[in-house]
Amino acid sequence: GEDVEQSLFLSVREGDSSVINCTYTDSSSTYLYWYKQEPGAGLQLLTYIFSNMDMKQDQRLTVLLNKKDKHLSLRIADTQTGDSAIYFCAEKIGGGGNKLTFGTGTQLKVEL
Amino acid sequence: SQTIHQWPATLVQPVGSPLSLECTVEGTSNPNLYWYRQAAGRGLQLLFYSVGIGQISSEVPQNLSASRPQDRQFILSSKKLLLSDSGFYLCAWRKTGPYEQYFGPGTRLTVT
Repeated sequence: GEDVEQSLFLSVREGDSSVINCTYTDSSSTYLYWYKQEPGAGLQLLTYIFSNMDMKQDQRLTVLLNKKDKHLSLRIADTQTGDSAIYFCAEKIGGGGNKLTFGTGTQLKVEL
Repeated sequence: SQTIHQWPATLVQPVGSPLSLECTVEGTSNPNLYWYRQAAGRGLQLLFYSVGIGQISSEVPQNLSASRPQDRQFILSSKKLLLSDSGFYLCAWRKTGPYEQYFGPGTRLTVT
């Protein structure tokens, strides 16, 4: 199957770290992605990780990949109110068209 | 730099009316192009993708069709809209490399 699962909601206090989790089922996925969607807008690519990596860090963002458990996470350090959005993980799946399968999205709410 | 445009931004159409949504990409050539629908429940559903002019692949049988009359133009159409066609329609293009997709701002369609 090609299901990607995420928890629906996450609430954190401003300044704390946020960890958004994702599980996927396609063990042949070569790339995994994190996107951010603000209300009424399109999806913005935040970062991606190649499947032969365990971790990738980009400023406040840290991506961890556990291939054995098919688990991907996004950690946002020093979370700000501007980080409030829906976060989607996605995996590249096989077949033609270089398609991505997206998770259901996690709504992150940052409270003061 | 590359940019992707979608129009209109919002659209309210009666049931049974036709539909035409347009997506154009600037600053690249021969991109892969994608149409997604995002329903109120948040998940993204891939509707169509195109790897070249006149080449359309349909992912989900439905009331919609797509066309690619020019290299950087992707059109989503319907002859007769249904209530269930309401949603947020997103166009995306794929960059060569790690397969990441870049999204347009979206079109909010409400069928009444």
